[in-house]
Amino acid sequence: EVQLVESGGGLVQPGGSLRLSCAASGVTFSDFWMSWVRQAPGKGLEWVANIKHDGTEKNYVDSVKGRFTISRDNSKNSLYLQMNSLSADDTAMYFCAREQSSGCFDSWGQGTLVTVSS
Amino acid sequence: QSALTQPASVSGSPGQSITISCTGTYSAIGAYNFVSWYQQHPGKAPKLMIYEVSNRPSGVSNRFSGSKSGNTASLTISGLRAEDEADYYCFSYASYMLFGSGTKVTVL
Repeated sequence: EVQLVESGGGLVQPGGSLRLSCAASGVTFSDFWMSWVRQAPGKGLEWVANIKHDGTEKNYVDSVKGRFTISRDNSKNSLYLQMNSLSADDTAMYFCAREQSSGCFDSWGQGTLVTVSS
Repeated sequence: QSALTQPASVSGSPGQSITISCTGTYSAIGAYNFVSWYQQHPGKAPKLMIYEVSNRPSGVSNRFSGSKSGNTASLTISGLRAEDEADYYCFSYASYMLFGSGTKVTVL
């Protein structure tokens, strides 16, 4: 059974940085594209970024381009999201999710909460 | 980026059928079959319910079905049950990676 466990969330001041991690188990991690999806409190889901299985291709939603960097370490079965220049608009629960070739997310972590506030 | 529009809320009585629509542009919905649907209970992670417009993952009840017509995808829940009360989101994996606005399903 696939298990995804996020960590690294917390309280950070505006303009600050945070690095999220997602540890995968029960899956051949290097076979799959992976995504980060976020959800602001009381709001809907927003896709944030994804990365190809070998790390050679990355895509981002416009609102985080230039501030967030997605990466992965297949030797550690881990996905990362480096978040810089954070603002209150980035406050959200951040989920990592496995992508299937059919363009869907079939496995999700439980999320890690990022709060940007002074 | 374009938007995927869903009704804010849909309700039904136990045993009834309800349908949630997801309307977008041709490039988001009409041109491709990469539409999926997710169920999310409060405080929980989303769960995949339908992929590629109408396919159900293993373990998902056959009371859930999906379809598409033109630029609108739909999720139908038949034989509504109390446990179906949740938020539902469509998603398009096409020109844009885009979630719908979300629909709150209430079982009366």
